[in-house]
Amino acid sequence: GAGVSQSPSNKVTEKGKDVELRCDPISGHTALYWYRQSLGQGLEFLIYFQGNSAPDKSGLPSDRFSAERTGGSVSTLTIQRTQQEDSAVYLCASSLGVTGNSDTQYFGPGTRLTVL
Amino acid sequence: AQSVAQPEDQVNVAEGNPLTVKCTYSVSGNPYLFWYVQYPNRGLQFLLKYITGDNLVKGSYGFEAEFNKSQTSFHLKKPSALVSDSALYFCAVRVRGDSSYKLIFGSGTRLLVRP
Repeated sequence: GAGVSQSPSNKVTEKGKDVELRCDPISGHTALYWYRQSLGQGLEFLIYFQGNSAPDKSGLPSDRFSAERTGGSVSTLTIQRTQQEDSAVYLCASSLGVTGNSDTQYFGPGTRLTVL
Repeated sequence: AQSVAQPEDQVNVAEGNPLTVKCTYSVSGNPYLFWYVQYPNRGLQFLLKYITGDNLVKGSYGFEAEFNKSQTSFHLKKPSALVSDSALYFCAVRVRGDSSYKLIFGSGTRLLVRP
């Protein structure tokens, strides 16, 4: 079956521009997560959605970062006024649920963001 | 604070030999433990996880991991390495009862299997 998909696969932008990154989770998965992978910081949690709600936004690095999820499916991560330190690979993951055997997170291929 | 340590940046092994990639964790409660693998320019692929029960967990591609509560370790093993196993491996932990459900990752270990 289809896995988690993300678009675009690569995004190059200029400092100060806004960007939107999209995630399509596995169909039927209620939980969705965003992580960031960078050389200096490794893999960092950004935000977690259960349905359309975000019970944990604690990993968002600044108020320039926001995310939403609609219809319990697609999620968009928006970065406003991008900075060079935002350059990273942004990974999305989804899980069927959050307990026991349903909590395995399956990852998409990521969006590589480069801020010039 | 919860944390995961992968003490080796790189592990080198000859094809056909056994491999071990080390992981230790520090959490305030009972852990769920995971191993993921990342190939170049790809996302993370799930290998295996420990929830409860048998301390030896078997996963994809012939990998297994042993949960050791007293040593707070969850080392990844494979009896006979393949060149195609060369990749970046991440250990991760989630704390039971943590309402965030987020994964906390180690820094990753690069596995190089030479022919």
